[in-house]
Amino acid sequence: NAGVTQTPKFQVLKTGQSMTLQCAQDMNHNSMYWYRQDPGMGLRLIYYSASEGTTDKGEVPNGYNVSRLNKREFSLRLESAAPSQTSVYFCASSEVVGGRVKNLFFGSGTQLSVL
Amino acid sequence: LAKTTQPISMDSYEGQEVNITCSHNNIATNDYITWYQQFPSQGPRFIIQGYKTKVTNEVASLFIPADRKSSTLSLPRVSLSDTAVYYCLVGGPNTGGFKTIFGAGTRLFVKA
Repeated sequence: NAGVTQTPKFQVLKTGQSMTLQCAQDMNHNSMYWYRQDPGMGLRLIYYSASEGTTDKGEVPNGYNVSRLNKREFSLRLESAAPSQTSVYFCASSEVVGGRVKNLFFGSGTQLSVL
Repeated sequence: LAKTTQPISMDSYEGQEVNITCSHNNIATNDYITWYQQFPSQGPRFIIQGYKTKVTNEVASLFIPADRKSSTLSLPRVSLSDTAVYYCLVGGPNTGGFKTIFGAGTRLFVKA
């Protein structure tokens, strides 16, 4: 099983450029998430999707957009990249039981540098 | 969402039992407590989840007192490979639900 697959693994952008981070899961999970993690810090939730067709803002949504393309795929778009968005981005998915997030499965991350 | 407080860092030696405590004074009735482990350059990995009393699996135990205002993750006989950051999360269907928030975590350093 691949679990949660993120692409690309590394990316360098210039300020103002746009890009989309891709995420796919093969565990038939309903909910999916995007986090960012700055060096030495904890994870911060950018956006999440409780189920196919829904998306909601997390802690730090400014500068990002998301698309829940189908049950498997959840993409994160930076429309105009800024140096402050230099970070490691993690996608995750989870099984939900009775409205409770059972556990999160994470991808291997995307290291993004904005110059 | 219940705010959690954990120690910033802890040191231990190989073979010792390590207990990491998390405070969550405003935990809601339907909230669960979940712990994750994160190694450098990797995404977090689920360790254990519980609601009350004690939960045990093959890697850890989770102790939750009756008032549920704190919880303790217990790692038996740690090894060097247990050096990682450990996160305590609290949430449930009526308090943020899917809005799964990580705090700063506890950096555990296991020494030989």
